[in-house]
Amino acid sequence: NAGVTQTPKFQVLKTGQSMTLQCAQDMNHNSMYWYRQDPGMGLRLIYYSASEGTTDKGEVPNGYNVSRLNKREFSLRLESAAPSQTSVYFCASSVSGGNQPQHFGDGTRLSIL
Amino acid sequence: TQLLEQSPQFLSIQEGENLTVYCNSSSVFSSLQWYRQEPGEGPVLLVTVVTGGEVKKLKRLTFQFGDARKDSSLHITAAQPGDTGLYLCAAMGSGTYKYIFGTGTRLKVLA
Repeated sequence: NAGVTQTPKFQVLKTGQSMTLQCAQDMNHNSMYWYRQDPGMGLRLIYYSASEGTTDKGEVPNGYNVSRLNKREFSLRLESAAPSQTSVYFCASSVSGGNQPQHFGDGTRLSIL
Repeated sequence: TQLLEQSPQFLSIQEGENLTVYCNSSSVFSSLQWYRQEPGEGPVLLVTVVTGGEVKKLKRLTFQFGDARKDSSLHITAAQPGDTGLYLCAAMGSGTYKYIFGTGTRLKVLA
């Protein structure tokens, strides 16, 4: 049972480069999320997708774009990477509706020089 | 903006000690979740509390949701090194399906 799979696990970019972080879940969940985690700041929501074909901005969407390719896959794209985007990125999925547990991937550690 | 503040931010204790971690907000939430995160991994759900005043137990961990549903606590009895990790509270923002996470409490239990 893979759960939520994120690729790559590590990446180093130069300022201005672009990159897409991939996320796939095999739990048939409708809702998927992208978060970033920085020291002392917990998890901050970047984008959210309630269902296939829909996306919504979270708390920190600037500099990012997302695509809900199908029910399983939700990708996060950095068009022009900046050092402030150095972070650990987590993808999560859940059953739709309130009070539902989120299932997280193991994260992508991204450094931008 | 709805915020969840956790305290303490860091906690280092000896094996066998008891501890309490707090999650506070000025907003009312319909439910609140607690997650634990270990190094190199994503957070894993421990519990969801829904009713004001609710108490849930998970082995040596006791979770309580405040009567007014604005705050929550996590109490660990006789902490063990395996309890080491980052503890995060999370709640769903009002009128949305977007979750807000607290700043986290980093716990280290020394053998």
